[in-house]
Amino acid sequence: QSALTQPRSVSGSPGQSVTISCTGTSNVLGVYNYVSWYQHHPAKAPKLMIYDVSQRPSGVPDRFSGSKSGNTASLTISGLQAEDEAHYYCCSYAGSYTFGELFGGGTKLTVL
Amino acid sequence: EVQLVESGGGLVQPGGSLRLSCGASGFTFSNYWMSWVRQAPGKGLEWVANIKQDGRERYYVDSVKGRLTISRDNAKSSLYLQMNSLRAEDTAVYYCARVPTARGLRSYFFDYWGQGTLVTVSS
Repeated sequence: QSALTQPRSVSGSPGQSVTISCTGTSNVLGVYNYVSWYQHHPAKAPKLMIYDVSQRPSGVPDRFSGSKSGNTASLTISGLQAEDEAHYYCCSYAGSYTFGELFGGGTKLTVL
Repeated sequence: EVQLVESGGGLVQPGGSLRLSCGASGFTFSNYWMSWVRQAPGKGLEWVANIKQDGRERYYVDSVKGRLTISRDNAKSSLYLQMNSLRAEDTAVYYCARVPTARGLRSYFFDYWGQGTLVTVSS
């Protein structure tokens, strides 16, 4: 089964922008435009930030944006704020192999 | 307001069984696909299982097939995960999550999550 690879950590100062990458195989990210991103603070429920590659749910600030090129999806957070410090997970539909979803390993965002 | 509340976690010995429950409110439960997602200590999120609105389609990650069973009771707005033959590697926080569903068709993300319930498999 294919995997989604994320950097273990990224960091940025308040007001700066950071981008978190999510790289997969061609039979997952290259085929499906079903990439979602979740923000996870410790001991809290994960929160949906982006779905279908670049769609933002209501209530999510427009500082958060998503994109995809080939086998790599990206989450960009602009105008970093202290409360953005959390783990971020990408997720993609895995296709007919499992009819389920595949998560990346997660990226810890530190706001310096 | 959509709410998902998990319960049933605890300490269980290897080879043992446990049944997790997830109570849903704030939406018409019977209209939605539902899922279980877990997070082992110090690890990332892992999708575990999905179930269709009527329960007739169920899908699992390979590592739990034959041991964990997802089910639902639409009359009680409840989702379940029956966990048998538990292993140490099943130790995790288990989250119940809603899958957006429109006109009967599922989406491929999770829009609401519960707070999770901890399952510890250890002797």
